[in-house]
Amino acid sequence: EVQLVESGGGLVQPGGSLRLSCAASGFTFSPYWMHWVRQAPGKGLVWVSRVNSDGSNTNYADSVKGRFTISRDNAKNTLYLQMNSLRAEDTAVYYCARVGSCSGSDCWWVDNWGQGTLVTVSS
Amino acid sequence: QLVLTQSPSASASLGASVKLTCTLSSGHSGYAIAWHQQQPEKGPRFLMKLNSDGYHIKGDGIPDRFSGSSSGAERYLTISSLQSEDEADYYCQTWGTGIGVFGGGTKLTVL
Repeated sequence: EVQLVESGGGLVQPGGSLRLSCAASGFTFSPYWMHWVRQAPGKGLVWVSRVNSDGSNTNYADSVKGRFTISRDNAKNTLYLQMNSLRAEDTAVYYCARVGSCSGSDCWWVDNWGQGTLVTVSS
Repeated sequence: QLVLTQSPSASASLGASVKLTCTLSSGHSGYAIAWHQQQPEKGPRFLMKLNSDGYHIKGDGIPDRFSGSSSGAERYLTISSLQSEDEADYYCQTWGTGIGVFGGGTKLTVL
């Protein structure tokens, strides 16, 4: 069974930093591209970032570009999101999501989701 | 700019069918999307990937009551024989040039 378990969320002050982790199990992690997606309280899903299978190619939403860094450690079956210069508007549940089977440029659709970890940015 | 548009709400009676719509912005009618369900207080769940020709791949364990279809720039999710547990938010997802996109979601109420 595919499992994606996020951790590392919590309360942080504006301007602070936090690193989220997503532990993957139940499948061979290394071939799969991965996303981070967030959801502010009472709002919809918003895409944050994507990384390819070996970590060499990344994409970011404009709202987090230059502040957030996605990375992965395939030996540890773990996805990360380093979040710096956090703002109140970054407050959200952050979901780790696996990309379904990739073919050429068709590496974007989510086929499995984690349960999320809550990040609260407040003084 | 690639945008996915969804109606904010929909409702249908228990046992009936409902068709939810996700509309791709102008110039993007050939794009595939994915549908996801989010039940109250839960994480999202993948339902299906839906191509422009209507071909779709469903997630593991997704009942046959859930089906997808396409027409032009519109992508549809049809749920038949509605059950109480189908009451949820439904999101469509796609990918542009280096950027992911979600629709605003449709809140489905089962009456």
